[in-house]
Amino acid sequence: DVKVTQSSRYLVKRTGEKVFLECVQDMDHENMFWYRQDPGLGLRLIYFSYDVKMKEKGDIPEGYSVSREKKERFSLILESASTNQTSMYLCASRRGRDSLWNEQFFGPGTRLTVL
Amino acid sequence: AQSVTQLDSQVPVFEEAPVELRCNYSSSVSVYLFWYVQYPNQGLQLLLKYLSGSTLVESINGFEAEFNKSQTSFHLRKPSVHISDTAEYFCAVSGTGGFKTIFGAGTRLFVKA
Repeated sequence: DVKVTQSSRYLVKRTGEKVFLECVQDMDHENMFWYRQDPGLGLRLIYFSYDVKMKEKGDIPEGYSVSREKKERFSLILESASTNQTSMYLCASRRGRDSLWNEQFFGPGTRLTVL
Repeated sequence: AQSVTQLDSQVPVFEEAPVELRCNYSSSVSVYLFWYVQYPNQGLQLLLKYLSGSTLVESINGFEAEFNKSQTSFHLRKPSVHISDTAEYFCAVSGTGGFKTIFGAGTRLFVKA
């Protein structure tokens, strides 16, 4: 069974803290994605990676950075957490470098609250 | 660039009634279209997709969607819903020449007994 796992289901942090969200996939997928999900806004792409050490900005990268040192692991970093980063964060992976038609496999999400 | 509009944020329906969740997209290029479902406290999972060929696509649990190029729509339908279909449904589009998938805002389907 294919799997995308995220390090935490729920996380509470304070304003200004550095936050790491980890995502691991066991499908040997080339592409990995970080989205945030907010009510009424759907999923918005923060960053994606199409290979180890490669990353591209998505639609809302401000305040975030990412790291992909190994193929199976994609980390999202909030350098200095702010209250407007309170959200559900979803990680996904997809097979193939340009395979738009392939489905994305999603992790269960991390609900982050910044106080 | 592509965009997706899901016309209903919430759809309440009684069990065994038919349902239609509406999705319209805009794109200047050919597209692939997807419906994903998110059950409570879970990540998204693919429900069905249109890539090419027959404009009517079906899922294993009784949902179907029809690609209508002239109306730029990809509405999701089910003739008889179950309580277990209660979830949030996301329409998504990928342009054949791009890399990203664009998701709609989602439609919450509530199935009542």
